[in-house]
Amino acid sequence: DMKVTQMPRYLIKRMGENVLLECGQDMSHETMYWYRQDPGLGLQLIYISYDVDSNSEGDIPKGYRVSRKKREHFSLILDSAKTNQTSVYFCASSTSAETLYFGSGTRLTVL
Amino acid sequence: AQKVTQTQTSISVMEKTTVTMDCVYETQDSSYFLFWYKQTASGEIVFLIRQDSYKKENATVGHYSLNFQKPKSSIGLIITATQIEDSAVYFCAMRENYQLIWGSGTKLIIKP
Repeated sequence: DMKVTQMPRYLIKRMGENVLLECGQDMSHETMYWYRQDPGLGLQLIYISYDVDSNSEGDIPKGYRVSRKKREHFSLILDSAKTNQTSVYFCASSTSAETLYFGSGTRLTVL
Repeated sequence: AQKVTQTQTSISVMEKTTVTMDCVYETQDSSYFLFWYKQTASGEIVFLIRQDSYKKENATVGHYSLNFQKPKSSIGLIITATQIEDSAVYFCAMRENYQLIWGSGTKLIIKP
C-alpha cells in the first residue's frame, strides 16, 4: 500500500527550540516535498528534494533546512523555532512527473 | 507566470445530486498536467484525479470526472451522486516542472 508517513502528528515547542519533522515514504519516489499550510494561504512550498542530497529551496525556505540521506526519508529542521512558524506541515512524494502523494500532516505550535 | 484560479469559495448542495467545481489555469507550456485534490475535515490531502493535457478524453475515476476544455484553459471537477463524506475542500493544481501550482480551494458542503 502506497504511503507517506509523517511523525509526529502534533508537536508543541517553545520559541528558540529546535524542531525536527520527519517524513518517510515506501514508494521509492525520487522527489519529496515539504509544504506548510496556514489558514487562507493554501499550501506553500518550503523545500523540494529531487533525490538523496539533492535539495532545492521552494517559495518560503527562510528559517528552515532539510536533510535527505536516504531516498525514503526526508526531514525538515527548524533551528531556533519562531512563533510565526506555527503551522501545519505536509510532506509529499512523487516520481518525476507524476502525482504527489501527501502525508497526514504535522500540526506544529511554537509558543 | 503560471497560475491556477478557483473562483468558487464555497458550494452547498443536497446529498445525491451532482456538483461541478470550476478551475481555470494559465500556462505557456504546450504539455502540462492538471490535478484535483481533496482535503478532508481531518486535514488529510487526498489525490482524486488528473488530466494530462495531451489527452483529449476527460478523465474519470469512480464518481469523479473532469470537464477539460483546453481552449478555455478550464478543468472542472464533476462529482456525481454526492455523499455526505464528499464534504471537504477541493483544490485544483497544475504541474510546473517538479512543483505544483495550487488554486485557493473550494469548500464543498453536502447537505442531507
